[in-house]
Amino acid sequence: GQNIDQPTEMTATEGAIVQINCTYQTSGFNGLFWYQQHAGEAPTFLSYNVLDGLEEKGRFSSFLSRSKGYSYLLLKELQMKDSASYLCAVREPTGGGNKLTFGTGTQLKVEL
Amino acid sequence: EPEVTQTPSHQVTQMGQEVILRCVPISNHLYFYWYRQILGQKVEFLVSFYNNEISEKSEIFDDQFSVERPDGSNFTLKIRSTKLEDSAMYFCASLRDRDGYTFGSGTRLTVV
Repeated sequence: GQNIDQPTEMTATEGAIVQINCTYQTSGFNGLFWYQQHAGEAPTFLSYNVLDGLEEKGRFSSFLSRSKGYSYLLLKELQMKDSASYLCAVREPTGGGNKLTFGTGTQLKVEL
Repeated sequence: EPEVTQTPSHQVTQMGQEVILRCVPISNHLYFYWYRQILGQKVEFLVSFYNNEISEKSEIFDDQFSVERPDGSNFTLKIRSTKLEDSAMYFCASLRDRDGYTFGSGTRLTVV
């Protein structure tokens, strides 16, 4: 079966650092994606990990451990506009479609 | 930056009516997808399309659903006889190869 777990909600302070964790159990693995989604809008791509380790992209970093089925998204220097839902998604190489399977998302609230 | 375009942004339809949701993927992308997100729930895979045919579909994508790429640019999702539970945000996405999927801004479908 497929299982992708993330915390439902997190709260952090402007200027701080927050780490959003994701654990997954899927029938196959061909990469892990993080997306940001503001309410009523489309998911926007943040990062992609297919090999173990850390990928850094400005204020955002993402880490992957395939042996542990674990990833995290690290957001630094938090801004109010970072308040959004953060979606962890795994690409599975099944059926030829390379579909993404999403977790339920972590709603991040950034406060003053 | 290239975009995936979806129309209409919002559609209200009566139960039992047919709806067609339209998408224009990014022109040099090869894989096309439909996802849906019921309010407050996670993004769910519906169908993937490659080389002019369905490559994978979920159990949600039953006989009431169909997809077409009628010309070189449009990619449509048809729901033959809508039900109340089809009310959701429908996202089209496209992918060139291994990197991030690009999502359209979505069509909010309300079945009354």
